[in-house]
Amino acid sequence: EVQLVESGGGLVQPGGSLRLSCAASGFTFSSYWMSWVRQAPGKGLEWVANIKQDGSEKYYVDSVKGRFTISRDNAKNSLYLQMNSLRAEDTAVYYCARDAPMDYWGQGTLVTVSS
Amino acid sequence: QSALTQPASVSGSPGQSITISCTGTSSDVGGYNYVSWYQQHPGKAPKLMIYDVSNRPSGVSNRFSGSKFGNTASLTISGLQAEDEADYYCSSYTSSSTVVFGGGTKLTVL
Repeated sequence: EVQLVESGGGLVQPGGSLRLSCAASGFTFSSYWMSWVRQAPGKGLEWVANIKQDGSEKYYVDSVKGRFTISRDNAKNSLYLQMNSLRAEDTAVYYCARDAPMDYWGQGTLVTVSS
Repeated sequence: QSALTQPASVSGSPGQSITISCTGTSSDVGGYNYVSWYQQHPGKAPKLMIYDVSNRPSGVSNRFSGSKFGNTASLTISGLQAEDEADYYCSSYTSSSTVVFGGGTKLTVL
């Protein structure tokens, strides 16, 4: 059974940093692109970033370029999102998803940026 | 990276059919056959319903179908059921190798 479990969310002050993790199981992690998608409270879905199977290609939505970094460790079946210089508008539930297409999603982890 | 355009809400009675549109540009929807549709119930993670414009993942009801004409993709749900009430999102691959979602459509089953 495919499972994706996010962790690392929480409350952080504006300008702070947070690292999200996504533990994958039930499939050959190294064979798939992976994505992060976020959803602000009461709002729609926003794609954040994705990463190729071997980590050689990474793409980001403009609003997080230079602040967020997506990475993966295929030996640990894990996906990461390093988030720096966090802003109030980054407050959201962050989902990891197996790509492409995004056919399996985790349950999400809430990131709240507030003083 | 502008969001794809979806109607904010649609509604239909049980047994009826509804269609949700998703309009983009030639740089996303119109340029690639990589349009997907997701269903999201309150408090739950999104669920893939259609991928590559018109393909259904295993386990998704054949009441759900997808199509595309030019820069507009569509999701049709036939034989509406109460459990179809949810938010629906389209997404597309883009010419910048990124992904863009639509703003979402709230489906109400009357």
